[in-house]
Amino acid sequence: SQQGEEDPQALSIQEGENATMNCSYKTSINNLQWYRQNSGRGLVHLILIRSNEREKHSGRLRVTLDTSKKSSSLLITASRAADTASYFCASSNFGNEKLTFGTGTRLTIIP
Amino acid sequence: GAGVSQSPSNKVTEKGKDVELRCDPISGHTALYWYRQSLGQGLEFLIYFQGNSAPDKSGLPSDRFSAERTGGSVSTLTIQRTQQEDSAVYLCASSLYEGDYGYTFGSGTRLTVV
Repeated sequence: SQQGEEDPQALSIQEGENATMNCSYKTSINNLQWYRQNSGRGLVHLILIRSNEREKHSGRLRVTLDTSKKSSSLLITASRAADTASYFCASSNFGNEKLTFGTGTRLTIIP
Repeated sequence: GAGVSQSPSNKVTEKGKDVELRCDPISGHTALYWYRQSLGQGLEFLIYFQGNSAPDKSGLPSDRFSAERTGGSVSTLTIQRTQQEDSAVYLCASSLYEGDYGYTFGSGTRLTVV
């Protein structure tokens, strides 16, 4: 079964607004990662947060991790049309070994 | 190469035929992973290679699926006697085993079994 579950499954927002996606997982993790997928093909790694970190930033991306709730959120600020994609969280129990992916959030940015 | 290369990018095969999918990882990446993704779904783990260790085959859905990695580099995923439910995008990724680098994915092979 999928380790992670994203919420919402789909999200549509106006360009310039912020987009927030959530992810929950079941077992203890070593790190949690977020990926973007365009057009149903290869995924692109966006950001990684370790289990001992609570928040991390990269450009317009902000990731939080709450290990007590086994959840993470990805915030994309000042969204652009090019941010339209599916976003997946993925967790690892040890190092980079065998990431388990969530079900994804389909984000649509309306120009 | 600069990225993970997968071939072919698309494959249409008849039910019952065998197919081979190839993955050429980033040079120096010791870990290699195969996943598959059915239409509109998440990624399903298939198999994982790390260095010279025995591969983790726990995600292979049946004994019709097998994979090998030669010389710690190129990997081939073989599906024997293909079935229609095997239709999916097969994604390969590689990574350094340690460090905060995440996976680098290839563009995938879209397999259609007719």
